[in-house]
Order: sequence, then C-alpha cells, then structure tokens
Amino acid sequence: AQSVTQLGSHVSVSEGALVLLRCNYSSSVPPYLFWYVQYPNQGLQLLLKYTSAATLVKGINGFEAEFKKSETSFHLTKPSAHMSDAAEYFCAVSAGGSNYKLTFGKGTLLTVNP
Amino acid sequence: GAVVSQHPSRVICKSGTSVKIECRSLDFQATTMFWYRQFPKQSLMLMATSNEGSKATYEQGVEKDKFLINHASLTLSTLTVTSAHPEDSSFYICSAQGTGVRSNQPQHFGDGTRLSIL
Repeated sequence: AQSVTQLGSHVSVSEGALVLLRCNYSSSVPPYLFWYVQYPNQGLQLLLKYTSAATLVKGINGFEAEFKKSETSFHLTKPSAHMSDAAEYFCAVSAGGSNYKLTFGKGTLLTVNP
Repeated sequence: GAVVSQHPSRVICKSGTSVKIECRSLDFQATTMFWYRQFPKQSLMLMATSNEGSKATYEQGVEKDKFLINHASLTLSTLTVTSAHPEDSSFYICSAQGTGVRSNQPQHFGDGTRLSIL
C-alpha cells in the first residue's frame, strides 16, 4: 500500500523567492514519485519524476526535487518563484514497474505575490 | 501539444439527464485508461481503471450503475454519468497509460470535464 502526505495545503511566496513544497510518502516497495501541476479547470501536467535513478531530479519550468529515502521525502523546490508558477501542485506515488496506478496527495496551492 | 483529448470540457444539464464524456489518446494506444473525480480544492479521487476490451475495475464506493465506463478501442474510453443529479456535479479527469513513445510518463491526463447538474 502507498500513501502521500503533502504538508501545507497552501503556500504563499513572493515573486523571486524560493519555492519549497513538501511531500512525504509511504510505500511497501521501492516507489516511483511524481510531481504534477494543475492550473484552474485543467488536467495535470507532469513536472518531474523519480524512477530509481538519480536522486536529484530536474523537471520543467526550473523545478527540481530530491528523493531522500531516509526521510521518505520528495520535496519540490524552485530557486526563484515566478507569477506563472501560481497553481495547485500534487505529489504522487506509484509502485513502479508496470504498475501505473497513481496515489495522489491532497495538493498544495501555491500563490505568488508580486 | 496534448496527447489525451477529453470532451466536452464543460457541460451543464438538467437533473435526470445522462451525460457521456469521451477520453481519447491521440498518438498512442492506451491499453489502460483511468477516470478520476475531483471536488473543489481537493485531490483527484480514482473512480475506476478501464482496460480495453474488458470490464472496468471500480474503486470502493463508486457506483458501477451510476458511472458506466466503456473502453471499446485502444484510443477511446467513455464515462457515462447516468441519471445525473446535482450531487454528481464535479470535475472529471481521464488519463491514459503511456505506451510506446508515450511510455515516458505513467499516465497522460486530459484537460478535464466540468459537469454541472441543475
């Protein structure tokens, strides 16, 4: 069984500031981990993924995340927030391999203040 | 560009109406498609997993007779909300399992359908 906990349902940062969105996971098998972004009234877009290769993963739009097994974490960061980053962010876990079923966290709404 | 097309993007209809939502994979064959429901400011809730040519597997608590899923081809799955009522109003999102050139992601998501039942 797998689960994801996203700490903080709402994160607010100033434009240009560091973005840190937290995600902790629980998995009975080595996990695959993902971050998705959702803009209003749209589906999900993949930002980045961890699939047991490099623990520091770089994604689109300047985002990156680090897999830390000891902490069961996969936090999402971006050095400098942009107004266009304002959206809902979801962390997700799957069992990997041919198992494509995703378990999502509850999401974190990121607002960026000018 | 989009690799999964979901239609319609928005539908408003009267209570008691049945509504069909289509999900198409545009440039790959999707042996498995997923249907999610998302309530305002909440996460995605998996409703069912749809495999081409076989019956869908529904998650616990999802009414099979209310939410009919058909996956008749490798590129098309449909969700029909039968005799819809206001409590069925929600945002429905489909996704398709990545295969072939699209296997770089586990699931490719459609843009969702906003269903409003009056």
